[in-house]
Amino acid sequence: GEDVEQSLFLSVREGDSSVINCTYTDSSSTYLYWYKQEPGAGLQLLTYIFSNMDMKQDQRLTVLLNKKDKHLSLRIADTQTGDSAIYFCADLSGGYNKLIFGAGTRLAVHP
Amino acid sequence: EAGVAQSPRYKIIEKRQSVAFWCNPISGHATLYWYQQILGQGPKLLIQFQNNGVVDDSQLPKDRFSAERLKGVDSTLKIQPAKLEDSAVYLCASSYIRQVGPNEAFFGQGTRLTVV
Repeated sequence: GEDVEQSLFLSVREGDSSVINCTYTDSSSTYLYWYKQEPGAGLQLLTYIFSNMDMKQDQRLTVLLNKKDKHLSLRIADTQTGDSAIYFCADLSGGYNKLIFGAGTRLAVHP
Repeated sequence: EAGVAQSPRYKIIEKRQSVAFWCNPISGHATLYWYQQILGQGPKLLIQFQNNGVVDDSQLPKDRFSAERLKGVDSTLKIQPAKLEDSAVYLCASSYIRQVGPNEAFFGQGTRLTVV
């Protein structure tokens, strides 16, 4: 079945760039998403990319998609303490828009 | 626009008891998802509705979990009887069905279930 994998933890210094990686298995993905979850809060959509795109930029966020390798990454420029959260990669596929999540990457930003 | 509403926010029950969660999706959203998020893990899809029909329930433990979406709007998820390993946050999400576009899923705050 479909599977989405992520590294579990990333620690960066404030002001540096963060890169969070994700791999997926589904060849019929239509959209790939990045969601953010802060402590005690629900999931919030950060950004998404259509499967026939290679890159999408949205202010401090850059999404790169390598469809051949089924690899997705999220780059956060000038990372701030407010970016500390869990980031989930998710894959939308199938005729009924099945949405599958990875285990999440916990981003810790330190001074 | 009102968001996805879930209730209750918290629930503590003893094992072998029953529990039900309620979800009211965003108006007009045909797709409704229920996810289980165990502490430290990603959300796991339990069941997906399109209008009031089930389109995926492959990961729903059907011996104890059930869900319904009457009239294609509100939904309830029930666990009977609960086990200790059912302790998790249960998330409801909804989205439009678009032929073109990202079909963003909007999430509720979730119900935190503790089984003791």
